[in-house]
Amino acid sequence: GAVVSQHPSWVICKSGTSVKIECRSLDFQATTMFWYRQFPKQSLMLMATSNEGSKATYEQGVEKDKFLINHASLTLSTLTVTSAHPEDSSFYICSAINSGGAGYEQYFGPGTRLTVT
Amino acid sequence: GESVGLHLPTLSVQEGDNSIINCAYSNSASDYFIWYKQESGKGPQFIIDIRSNMDKRQGQRVTVLLNKTVKHLSLQIAATQPGDSAVYFCAESGGGNKLTFGTGTQLKVEL
Repeated sequence: GAVVSQHPSWVICKSGTSVKIECRSLDFQATTMFWYRQFPKQSLMLMATSNEGSKATYEQGVEKDKFLINHASLTLSTLTVTSAHPEDSSFYICSAINSGGAGYEQYFGPGTRLTVT
Repeated sequence: GESVGLHLPTLSVQEGDNSIINCAYSNSASDYFIWYKQESGKGPQFIIDIRSNMDKRQGQRVTVLLNKTVKHLSLQIAATQPGDSAVYFCAESGGGNKLTFGTGTQLKVEL
């Protein structure tokens, strides 16, 4: 149980285009999901907290107009990287909290490798 | 801001030996700590967690120790196996479900 999936697992896009990454909780409902970014050989950095039915909360330094987050259902959050540039190339990881569980454990997705050329 | 850090960026151990991975945290308000294992190209995998009202917790082949006096967290892996090779992160939470991750330790198991 408590499986989180991401789609796509990897994506290559051209500079200036937008790309959408999906995060799904497969066997539980998640009111809260999180999006992280991880550069090679570095730690996970929280980008934003995604709340179902409301606006996402972004961490300091993360451009909300560039990284659009939509959490339209209890099992799906999407991250859209708009006008992507090579410096946006990274490993994007989502996590989800089981709304019906203890309320704090985060279940992580497998990550999405984004390469911007 | 406050952060969680690790003492050793790389740890090499012989197969069968015990591994100890350390983490120092600075946020005294943190009350929940987690260790994650991350293999190359994959998302973090939960290993074990501990709350601040405990100083030790054991799982299968793993033990987490928490020393609140010196704000230190450690992960002990018994009888380390090749499959344990990965990057290990500690993470802390001071409430609100947000996690702050440490810098990570690369564990290499030598045959």
